[in-house]
Amino acid sequence: DVKVTQSSRYLVKRTGEKVFLECVQDMDHENMFWYRQDPGLGLRLIYFSYDVKMKEKGDIPEGYSVSREKKERFSLILESASTNQTSMYLCASSSVGQGSNTEAFFGQGTRLTVV
Amino acid sequence: RKEVEQDPGPFNVPEGATVAFNCTYSNSASQSFFWYRQDCRKEPKLLMSVYSSGNEDGRFTAQLNRASQYISLLIRDSKLSDSATYLCVSLSNTGKLIFGQGTTLQVKP
Repeated sequence: DVKVTQSSRYLVKRTGEKVFLECVQDMDHENMFWYRQDPGLGLRLIYFSYDVKMKEKGDIPEGYSVSREKKERFSLILESASTNQTSMYLCASSSVGQGSNTEAFFGQGTRLTVV
Repeated sequence: RKEVEQDPGPFNVPEGATVAFNCTYSNSASQSFFWYRQDCRKEPKLLMSVYSSGNEDGRFTAQLNRASQYISLLIRDSKLSDSATYLCVSLSNTGKLIFGQGTTLQVKP
């Protein structure tokens, strides 16, 4: 019962390439997130979307952009990939409710290597 | 200062031990809190939500102290399969999920 799907598990791209990471959720969640996870730094929020066509910068948005044209799909774009963007990228979606009504699920992650 | 802070560990404990993790948060407007478990090279998975009165699920107990702004996770009777990284998460009033760095637990035979 897959809930959040990321388009690729492993990706290798060249420096300067434009890279698209796709994420789709089937739970009708309002919120979607993109994180990157690096050893010793934990999960850092890149961008966050709380509705279609709405987005908010996270802690480390530089070098990234996002697109949310449909509720179920949230794309992360690396405009010009650089080696310091080599990382594990995790997409998540969550409902809006508070406390016990809130649920958040992650995709399986995309391990991106920029060479 | 990070919005959510955890001791990264590692915590090395024998099977059967009781272990506790603490997590502090700086945003007093945070609405909800969670503990996630992440296995090596896998995505994080929800372990439990944290309610103001405390929440217990089998060997796991989570508590929230709003006055001191910390969340705790207690694991009793540790199993080898409990070895993982445990992530503390806060949900802000704007709907953002903010993660701590994670605490690594290694349960040894």
